[in-house]
Amino acid sequence: NAGVTQTPKFQVLKTGQSMTLQCAQDMNHEYMSWYRQDPGMGLRLIHYSVGAGITDQGEVPNGYNVSRSTTEDFPLRLLSAAPSQTSVYFCASSPDRGTQHFGDGTRLSIL
Amino acid sequence: GENVEQHPSTLSVQEGDSAVIKCTYSDSASNYFPWYKQELGKGPQLIIDIRSNVGEKKDQRIAVTLNKTAKHFSLHITETQPEDSAVYFCAASRGPGNNRLAFGKGNQVVVIP
Repeated sequence: NAGVTQTPKFQVLKTGQSMTLQCAQDMNHEYMSWYRQDPGMGLRLIHYSVGAGITDQGEVPNGYNVSRSTTEDFPLRLLSAAPSQTSVYFCASSPDRGTQHFGDGTRLSIL
Repeated sequence: GENVEQHPSTLSVQEGDSAVIKCTYSDSASNYFPWYKQELGKGPQLIIDIRSNVGEKKDQRIAVTLNKTAKHFSLHITETQPEDSAVYFCAASRGPGNNRLAFGKGNQVVVIP
């Protein structure tokens, strides 16, 4: 099993550009989440999903959109990139709303 | 919402000694407390967790203790080894029925050979 796969691993964007961070899991987990990790800030929840077709906002949702059309995939969209969105983004999946299985992250820089 | 704080932010220990990291939480309804280890360039990985109906849980060299009255829980690593060097995150949530883990800011643990 691959677990949680995130692509790309690295990305550089210009301010105002849009992009989609991909996340896929092969564990048939119902619950998936997106976090951002910034120095000294820990992990902050952006959006999460409790199943296909259902999403909800986390702690820092502004500037991001998500959708969950399948159990396996949970893409995160940056609508108009801003330098404040420079961060490391982690996707996680969970079988029971507790234990989170994380991918290895996407390192995003916005100039 | 839940607020989780970790202390100390950085901890250096000699190889073979014990390391203890403490977290406090604010929401008395929280009942699930996991610990994650993050190595450089990797995502966090669950190493141990505890639910509020248990006071202590142990898995080989690591253990977690929970004090519900004081609203704090601690990670104990015994006989530390260089591969224990990493960033450790604690988290808290209301457990089943709630997918929103609140994470602490992380502790950098350095094991000195």
